Amino acid sequence: QKEVEQNSGPLSVPEGAIASLNCTYSDRVSQSFFWYRQYSGKSPELIMSIYSNGDKEDGRFTAQLNKASQYVSLLIRDSQPSDSATYLCAVTLNDYKLSFGAGTTVTVRA
Amino acid sequence: EAEVAQSPRYKITEKSQAVAFWCDPISGHATLYWYRQILGQGPELLVQFQDESVVDDSQLPKDRFSAERLKGVDSTLKIQPAELGDSAMYLCASSRRTAYEQYFGPGTRLTVT
Repeated sequence: QKEVEQNSGPLSVPEGAIASLNCTYSDRVSQSFFWYRQYSGKSPELIMSIYSNGDKEDGRFTAQLNKASQYVSLLIRDSQPSDSATYLCAVTLNDYKLSFGAGTTVTVRA
Repeated sequence: EAEVAQSPRYKITEKSQAVAFWCDPISGHATLYWYRQILGQGPELLVQFQDESVVDDSQLPKDRFSAERLKGVDSTLKIQPAELGDSAMYLCASSRRTAYEQYFGPGTRLTVT
């Protein structure tokens, strides 16, 4: 079992719609969870961090964490063409090491 | 806004040659990370420093890769000799301390021919 698994994608959504990205992780004691956005050919950019169960909202982004189910998600509301990118889920393992999923590619159709 | 600096941005080298990458973390960030990212995959941790000490280098191919952070600030990652399979994006990141938000530099795209 991979440490961090994401929907393989690609995910195509129309402009203005909600994009929903899912991530599961294997380490039950993980405490820190992150979402990064990566444009083609560029480095990852941190867009959300979440540490406790529930929802965290930042602009058009909402991260949701459920530690009991070992599940974290990212919602992108009012999707824009500029949101077209690969989204990486990252989870802290062993209290210090960040493990990344393979990413989900999102395409927003105009 | 403070950023992680990396150089070079692109490097083309021949197989068996030596190559080095440099990283300057955000000021005040004690933890520094080197990652390798292959197209279509997430970044894979190569080495993690806390100040000048190595915290984790379990995935660093030590027969050809070396990394140092002598004064606990900037860092160098070296490959000698380079192999075709080393072609990838090499990313440096830093964080205020372990398990906190990591911020990435622009990366170095390495092509080995």
